[in-house]
Amino acid sequence: TQLLEQSPQFLSIQEGENLTVYCNSSSVFSSLQWYRQEPGEGPVLLVTVVTGGEVKKLKRLTFQFGDARKDSSLHITAAQPGDTGLYLCAGLMDSNYQLIWGAGTKLIIKP
Amino acid sequence: DSGVTQTPKHLITATGQRVTLRCSPRSGDLSVYWYQQSLDQGLQFLIQYYNGEERAKGNILERFSAQQFPDLHSELNLSSLELGDSALYFCASSVPGGSTDTQYFGPGTRLTVL
Repeated sequence: TQLLEQSPQFLSIQEGENLTVYCNSSSVFSSLQWYRQEPGEGPVLLVTVVTGGEVKKLKRLTFQFGDARKDSSLHITAAQPGDTGLYLCAGLMDSNYQLIWGAGTKLIIKP
Repeated sequence: DSGVTQTPKHLITATGQRVTLRCSPRSGDLSVYWYQQSLDQGLQFLIQYYNGEERAKGNILERFSAQQFPDLHSELNLSSLELGDSALYFCASSVPGGSTDTQYFGPGTRLTVL
């Protein structure tokens, strides 16, 4: 059973379009992290959201943590080819501080 | 560069063999995590060590084992290898700190079992 569901699993769009990736769970998390992984490399942390309802912006990327701390979204505005990669969300369990990983969203931005 | 090193970068071996993957965490990090990532898949958590002790276990097969040494480097041992064990194996390290525990990943070891 996947505790953290990411959607969509795969997304291929044209440069300049907007997109949203979702990360959903029935579990409550202390915090939620978003990582980006490029082919052949390890994931790299983009952001950590901690407070319910929190919104963080990283240039054209906007991250939101749900009010109940069970879900999160990543919105990319005016996507660029350099945004291509595997986006992974990971939630830190409230109960035991274990990091639970989503299966990832593979994003391809076509020039 | 995350500060986490992994060796070797690539490993090609045959079914039935045994291999050892090595990881050196970032300076000061006490926790080491091992992950398996098959082609185009997400990360599968295998095991976590903290300051030499096993802290958490994920979907680690009985054929696999790991340890963390006093100098905090870690090794993942994979034995009786099968074709399905071919994957990228990542090591990550962190300073456990509660609600904002960030994991720093190494470059991975690509294992190919023929």
